[in-house]
Amino acid sequence: GQSLEQPSEVTAVEGAIVQINCTYQTSGFYGLSWYQQHDGGAPTFLSYNALDGLEETGRFSSFLSRSDSYGYLLLQELQMKDSASYFCAVRFGASGAGSYQLTFGKGTKLSVIP
Amino acid sequence: EAGVVQSPRYKIIEKKQPVAFWCNPISGHNTLYWYRQNLGQGPELLIRYENEEAVDDSQLPKDRFSAERLKGVDSTLKIQPAELGDSAVYLCASTAGPTYNEQFFGPGTRLTVL
Repeated sequence: GQSLEQPSEVTAVEGAIVQINCTYQTSGFYGLSWYQQHDGGAPTFLSYNALDGLEETGRFSSFLSRSDSYGYLLLQELQMKDSASYFCAVRFGASGAGSYQLTFGKGTKLSVIP
Repeated sequence: EAGVVQSPRYKIIEKKQPVAFWCNPISGHNTLYWYRQNLGQGPELLIRYENEEAVDDSQLPKDRFSAERLKGVDSTLKIQPAELGDSAVYLCASTAGPTYNEQFFGPGTRLTVL
């Protein structure tokens, strides 16, 4: 099966930088995704890493180390609106890219304080 | 472009009653997913459709859950009979195809079983 571990809660100050870690165990790993979900809202896609390294998109960056089965989401210049839950999700498949699934972690609730 | 549409947004029923959720994916998206999200957890896949074919329903509790996507566009998820443990948010998501990384989620249906 698949398992993911991420911290349940993180608190950070507005304007600061925060890193949310994710470790996973899975077979047939293709990549790691990150989703943001505000309370009562729909999950929205943030990033996807298939290869090792850092991907940057504005204030958000995502990192993957396949050899360590580890990734993180980095949020810079935190804003109050970044208060939300953040989910890592592994993309895996038994055979070929045409038959994959996403398994989500339990989420990290980020609280940004003034 | 309209997003993923789901209805109803909220549903309260008594246990043993039937309930149905409807989802209309983004136009042109052939791949459709139904997820269940319990409070404080990440989304869990119930079923995935490629056009009208259910290609992955291994996690759908088939004794009480059923789903259909007759014309390969909109989809219905049904529970009959509902149990207390079915209380959750039911999310629908779609992508243009199985190899696309970003899943677009609808707002979900919050089900409460009394």
